[in-house]
Amino acid sequence: DSGVTQTPKHLITATGQRVTLRCSPRSGDLSVYWYQQSLDQGLQFLIQYYNGEERAKGNILERFSAQQFPDLHSELNLSSLELGDSALYFCASSSRTGEVYFGPGTRLTVL
Amino acid sequence: EDQVTQSPEALRLQEGESSSLNCSYTVSGLRGLFWYRQDPGKGPEFLFTLYSAGEEKEKERLKATLTKKESFLHITAPKPEDSATYLCAVQALSNAGNMLTFGGGTRLMVKP
Repeated sequence: DSGVTQTPKHLITATGQRVTLRCSPRSGDLSVYWYQQSLDQGLQFLIQYYNGEERAKGNILERFSAQQFPDLHSELNLSSLELGDSALYFCASSSRTGEVYFGPGTRLTVL
Repeated sequence: EDQVTQSPEALRLQEGESSSLNCSYTVSGLRGLFWYRQDPGKGPEFLFTLYSAGEEKEKERLKATLTKKESFLHITAPKPEDSATYLCAVQALSNAGNMLTFGGGTRLMVKP
């Protein structure tokens, strides 16, 4: 158990819908990262927050957005979903010593 | 642009047959090189971080080494439970956000 929690574990929805994925970082970690893993793309960085502020952006679509709340949990919002958005979405947090720990992931299936 | 290439893509070993996985990287300045183990449908499990050429780290049957251009993950006398995908990632000094750039992984299968 990495200490990073994600909910829900599985999400099945239809094209055009909107979903929210939730992540709680390890206790004491201020940074939260979101990654997408699909079969053909591998693990791709989406976005990072540090103590509530956006720190870096990767290959995140305009239909996707995220935020980090004062209690440091983070949410990733995916809207106007397409079939190609089906993937595993991982949250990670980094410790003061630099290790990056991943959560168990949310499997999103868009039908 | 940071790039990470892992080889081989897949590796089949007999139990007890030692081998090495390769991770070649191109990065403007290396902050750290990370190794993870990932089981199907699960999140990547942190194994090691290496920071400078010549550094080595060990954990049970695994040993990671780092040069200026590549890293190796040596697996000594593997067991079937070592079967997993092993991922390598780099963290660049130039990245304001410390994000990781991943390679495609090596899928390891250890037969009893």
